[in-house]
Amino acid sequence: NAGVTQTPKFRVLKTGQSMTLLCAQDMNHEYMYWYRQDPGMGLRLIHYSVGEGTTAKGEVPDGYNVSRLKKQNFLLGLESAAPSQTSVYFCASSYERTNEQYFGPGTRLTVT
Amino acid sequence: GIQVEQSPPDLILQEGANSTLRCNFSDSVNNLQWFHQNPWGQLINLFYIPSGTKQNGRLSATTVATERYSLLYISSSQTTDSGVYFCAVSFRIKAAGNKLTFGGGTRVLVKP
Repeated sequence: NAGVTQTPKFRVLKTGQSMTLLCAQDMNHEYMYWYRQDPGMGLRLIHYSVGEGTTAKGEVPDGYNVSRLKKQNFLLGLESAAPSQTSVYFCASSYERTNEQYFGPGTRLTVT
Repeated sequence: GIQVEQSPPDLILQEGANSTLRCNFSDSVNNLQWFHQNPWGQLINLFYIPSGTKQNGRLSATTVATERYSLLYISSSQTTDSGVYFCAVSFRIKAAGNKLTFGGGTRVLVKP
């Protein structure tokens, strides 16, 4: 039981490049989330999903897109990376909205 | 507005000391979690505690939902307790959306 996994762990992009971050969970959770953490701050919600095939915007969605084609996977895409998107990205999942959220190990992204 | 405030922002402890971290929240919650972010950036779930008291080894937590605060107790601190402790809540009100709102964290340094 791996819990929540994220790939890649680290990535460096040039401004304007695109990439996709993959989150996978093996706990059969309905809800999945993408957060970002900027230096010295707590996490902020980017997008979330309440089930396969559904996505919704969070607190800071601009510049990101997401897809949830399979229940166990939640993808976060950056179409045209900007230096302001330099951050650590965390994926999380939970069984329901009010249940405990479990977090992945994070992806450190640097945009130059 | 809805918010989560943690105190103190920084804490320096001598190994073996006890400490209390506080989390105040501005509205009714249906989820409250405590996390430890270690120096490598990993977010470790400590407690899922929307109300009541829980204990896990040297750590314990109490949430008094009616008074809108939660406390995290660290007893007999060890150097491995160093890192940032986050409180995160999911507010009941619909306007808060489907997310965990994180406090600013308490940075703890335990000296040998």
